[in-house]
Amino acid sequence: SYELTQPPSVSVSPGQTASITCSGDKLGDKYACWYQQKPGQSPVLVIYHDTKRPSGIPERFSGSNSGNTATLSISGTQAMDEADYYCQAWDSSTGVFGTGTKVTVL
Amino acid sequence: EVQLVQSGAEVKKPGESLKISCKGSGYSFTTYWIGWVRQMPGKGLEWMGIIYPGDSDTRYSPSFQGQVTISADKSISTAYLQWSSLKASDTAVYYCARHQYDSSGYWIDYWGQGTLVTVSS
Repeated sequence: SYELTQPPSVSVSPGQTASITCSGDKLGDKYACWYQQKPGQSPVLVIYHDTKRPSGIPERFSGSNSGNTATLSISGTQAMDEADYYCQAWDSSTGVFGTGTKVTVL
Repeated sequence: EVQLVQSGAEVKKPGESLKISCKGSGYSFTTYWIGWVRQMPGKGLEWMGIIYPGDSDTRYSPSFQGQVTISADKSISTAYLQWSSLKASDTAVYYCARHQYDSSGYWIDYWGQGTLVTVSS
């Protein structure tokens, strides 16, 4: 079955850029999306179709996808961005989530 | 306003059956895929499957095929996730999730609040 691998954790200083990777076989041939989940809350979509931001998501969130890796970038990271982040893609008409990355704002 | 409202927390014993629900409102229930996502305690998200209420077309993750049943009653805009015989390892929060779809693929744009299922003897 298809697998998506993310680093378990990423640390970033306030105001700096956090980059979260998501690796999967030929992931660049698929569309990736990203979700943010804060403790005790339901996930929230932050990026879809590799690069698109839903209404209400700050411009500091951006995405890219090429080769075997999709990347979520958070520029000017704020304390409120501390959360778990999950990538997702589709393979054979079924969804697959990445392993998840905890972003800590130090 | 789109809303997905899930049924309340459940405590069950191993071997018991269970059906949890997710009621959609604020949109055309029959024209969006709706699915379920599992999150075991302290763990990540796992995609379980989806159903298209308009024609009941259903797709399962290989990991969950045969383990659960996804269904929908379009007359009351409600999707269901069902177990015939629960195991302790089914203990988790289960989210229902509305899926958007276009020619490029799917993404989840709305989530329910989650239903905690606890299976313990």
